[in-house]
Amino acid sequence: DTGVSQDPRHKITKRGQNVTFRCDPISEHNRLYWYRQTLGQGPEFLTYFQNEAQLEKSRLLSDRFSAERPKGSFSTLEIQRTEQGDSAMYLCASSWGGRVNTEAFFGQGTRLTVV
Amino acid sequence: AQKVTQAQTEISVVEKEDVTLDCVYETRDTTYYLFWYKQPPSGELVFLIRRNSFDEQNEISGRYSWNFQKSTSSFNFTITASQVVDSAVYFCALSEAGYSTLTFGKGTMLLVSP
Repeated sequence: DTGVSQDPRHKITKRGQNVTFRCDPISEHNRLYWYRQTLGQGPEFLTYFQNEAQLEKSRLLSDRFSAERPKGSFSTLEIQRTEQGDSAMYLCASSWGGRVNTEAFFGQGTRLTVV
Repeated sequence: AQKVTQAQTEISVVEKEDVTLDCVYETRDTTYYLFWYKQPPSGELVFLIRRNSFDEQNEISGRYSWNFQKSTSSFNFTITASQVVDSAVYFCALSEAGYSTLTFGKGTMLLVSP
C-alpha cells in the first residue's frame, strides 16, 4: 500500500490526557498536511510541512497542539491536555510541492473521542 | 480571504438519475486551483479532479463531469446515471496560487437509493 497511512484509526481518551497521532505520507511527497474535520463540516487546515520545516500553522492550532516531522518523513501530531472540543477526525495528507504542485492525497484519518 | 460554498447539504436520488452538486467559490487571486474530493463512509478523502483557474474547459471522466465557469465563480460536478456506490459526501475545495493548503466547503451528502 503506497497511500497515506495514519495511526491509530480510532482513539478514545479521557479529558486532560495527552494523545499523539502518526502519519506516514506517500514516500516521494515532500509536503505533509494536517487537517481537522468535525461532524457535518469540511476539513479545516491545521498545519503543513515542506520536508522537515513547518511552514504554516492555522489559528486553530492552539498551544496545546504541536506537530513535528523529523527528517522530513513521517509526522506526529500531539494534543496535550485534551478537551472535549478536540473530539474530531484528524486527517493527514501529502503532496509534491515545487514548481508544479500536485494534488493532496489523504489518509483515512484518526478519529479522536475525548470523554 | 477565500471561501467555498456548497449550498446543498444533502441530496437524495434514485439509482440511474443524474445529479449535479453545486460549488461556488470566492477568491481574490487570479491564479487558483479547484478540487473535488469524495468521502465515503470509511472516511478517506478520495481525490477526483483538480482544475486551474486558466483552464475553463469542461471535463468528463466516465460518468463524472465538471463545469467550471469563472463568470459565476462556480465549479459544479455532475454524476450521470448515479449508482449506489456513489453515495458519499462530496467536497469542493480551493487552493490559491502559492499556497498548498485547501479551503473546503461544508460538503454535500449524496444518497443514492436502489
